Amino acid sequence: DAGVIQSPRHEVTEMGQEVTLRCKPISGHDYLFWYRQTMMRGLELLIYFNNNVPIDDSGMPEDRFSAKMPNASFSTLKIQPSEPRDSAVYFCASSPGLNPNYGYTFGSGTRLTVV
Amino acid sequence: AQTVTQSQPEMSVQEAETVTLSCTYDTSESDYYLFWYKQPPSRQMILVIRQEAYKQQNATENRFSVNFQKAAKSFSLKISDSQLGDAAMYFCAYRSANQTSYDKVIFGPGTSLSVIP
Repeated sequence: DAGVIQSPRHEVTEMGQEVTLRCKPISGHDYLFWYRQTMMRGLELLIYFNNNVPIDDSGMPEDRFSAKMPNASFSTLKIQPSEPRDSAVYFCASSPGLNPNYGYTFGSGTRLTVV
Repeated sequence: AQTVTQSQPEMSVQEAETVTLSCTYDTSESDYYLFWYKQPPSRQMILVIRQEAYKQQNATENRFSVNFQKAAKSFSLKISDSQLGDAAMYFCAYRSANQTSYDKVIFGPGTSLSVIP
């Protein structure tokens, strides 16, 4: 398996533009997580899905953020409109289950810069 | 609420030497899991080692081992025979063993490890 695949690896956009980040989880993993990493706040859970259904989106910072998982092999995180404070590395992770014995497999992240 | 602290923002070690990264945590729970993740320059978070709180034996994975002191709420990572590829950011993380909190992973702020040739 190729692991968790995220695209793009880097994204630079202007303030006010829409940004879409993409994630392909590991096949057979029922859980998908979106995290944001910043120097100030470290790693924060934004939202996670179980079998394509959003379970907890309490970490989504504002209505400008939305996430979808239309099928088991694809998820998107959209920011519209983007702001400079959204600049961060966004990680996707997947897991076969929620039990801590499973652990998470992370993607390589998308570094977003909003200018 | 649980917290995870890593008091060493940066560490360095000579190649082939041993280094210990510190992690302390705060929780009122008796059963939980602790993890060390490695984040190299490639950015991907990689699970290094896992410890279950109810197990007294310290976990080991090749050159990586932990010193788990439950009473002191301490969970340090020892890297033996350090290699250049060990240079990375290391994160300590906590997960509850309570099913209602399985989805809550608390990450520490990280320790940046440099390996000197």
